[in-house]
Formats: sequence, structure tokens, C-alpha cells
Amino acid sequence: DTAVSQTPKYLVTQMGNDKSIKCEQNLGHDTMYWYKQDSKKFLKIMFSYNNKELIINETVPNRFSPKSPDKAHLNLHINSLELGDSAVYFCASSQGAGQRYEQYFGPGTRLTVT
Amino acid sequence: GDSVTQMEGPVTLSEEAFLTINCTYTATGYPSLFWYVQYPGEGLQLLLKATKADDKGSNKGFEATYRKETTSFHLEKGSVQVSDSAVYFCALSKTGNQFYFGTGTSLTVIP
Repeated sequence: DTAVSQTPKYLVTQMGNDKSIKCEQNLGHDTMYWYKQDSKKFLKIMFSYNNKELIINETVPNRFSPKSPDKAHLNLHINSLELGDSAVYFCASSQGAGQRYEQYFGPGTRLTVT
Repeated sequence: GDSVTQMEGPVTLSEEAFLTINCTYTATGYPSLFWYVQYPGEGLQLLLKATKADDKGSNKGFEATYRKETTSFHLEKGSVQVSDSAVYFCALSKTGNQFYFGTGTSLTVIP
């Protein structure tokens, strides 16, 4: 049983398109996250939701919009894709919003914009 | 602001060599500290953690001790294996659920 799953694993698309990445966790966690990892492996948090409420919204273009239909799901929609959006996007979850809780990561979605 | 600094890679070691990956942090208060490992093509996995000063986290032969006096959380392993080849990330967490990751250190272990 996969704890944190993402679909798709690979996504190749052209500039200007709109795409979505889905994330689901079956750990019963309250908090979910989206991270972007660039080609140098630098990991940057984008968003965090706790009980379906947005609690972290880092400085990302407003073309990126997260949606959490329920505690187990956090999707990422990207409008008007640009070359610079090419990266690996990771979803993660944690038990709560406290600092002691480690995060569990999904396998990542490699987005390539051509 | 809060941040994590870890040694730059890549690091290449022979099998059975001793490993140290340095990590220092800047944070107010009392953060929790973590080491994550990322194997090729996979997501990050928690390797070990420490939630207060002088705590030692350990897992799979890896160890790290939370040193508040030196604001450090260095990762060590006495004898690395080829299967330890991966990217290692140091991270800190504070209240509000914000995680700060280091830039990652790539480790290659050669037979």
C-alpha cells in the first residue's frame, strides 16, 4: 500500500498548456504539502494545507493553485505553463501541524515543459 | 531567517569508508532536526530525527546528534555501502509546520 501517491509520474507538455497533478495519502494525516525540486536538487516548499485549510503559501506565481477536496487529497493545478516550471514536484504529508512530525513524501512528478 | 546549511557535494567514498556530512542551522527557539535520504528516482524518506538538544537520532547505521551549542546536526556512518549512494538532506522544523531543507549532498559509494 503506497502511503503517499502522486499521478502522473511523468508529465510532458507544451508551453501555455494547463495541467494538474494529483496527490493522495492514506496515512490519515491532517497536513499536506507541495514542494518543487529543481535540477540541482534544491527543494522549495510551495503550499501546505492543514485540515483542508491553506496554512503555507510561499511566493509562487499565481498560475499555481492548490486544491484540497478533503484531508486525504491535495491537487496542484498549473495554468499557462512556462519553461521554468520544469521540475520534479513532490507531495508530502504529516500527522499534524507541529514541528515534531516528520513528513512523508510521494514519489514525485517530473514535469517537462517544452 | 531560519535556514539550514549543509556541505556541498558531491561526495565520493570507497565502500567501508567513514562518512560525515556536515549540517548547521540558524533558527530561533528550539527546532526539530531531520535527515532525509533521496534514492535515485524516488521521493525523500526520513532517515532519522532529533527533537531536542543532545538527542541522538539513529537508523540503518547512520547517526546524528543535535548540538545546540554549535547549532549542528552532522550525519555520520562508520562504514558506508554501495547501497547508501543517494542524496542526503538536512532539515529543520519549527512551529507552524514550516520545514527548511538544506541544498542536499550527493553521496556516491564505489566498490
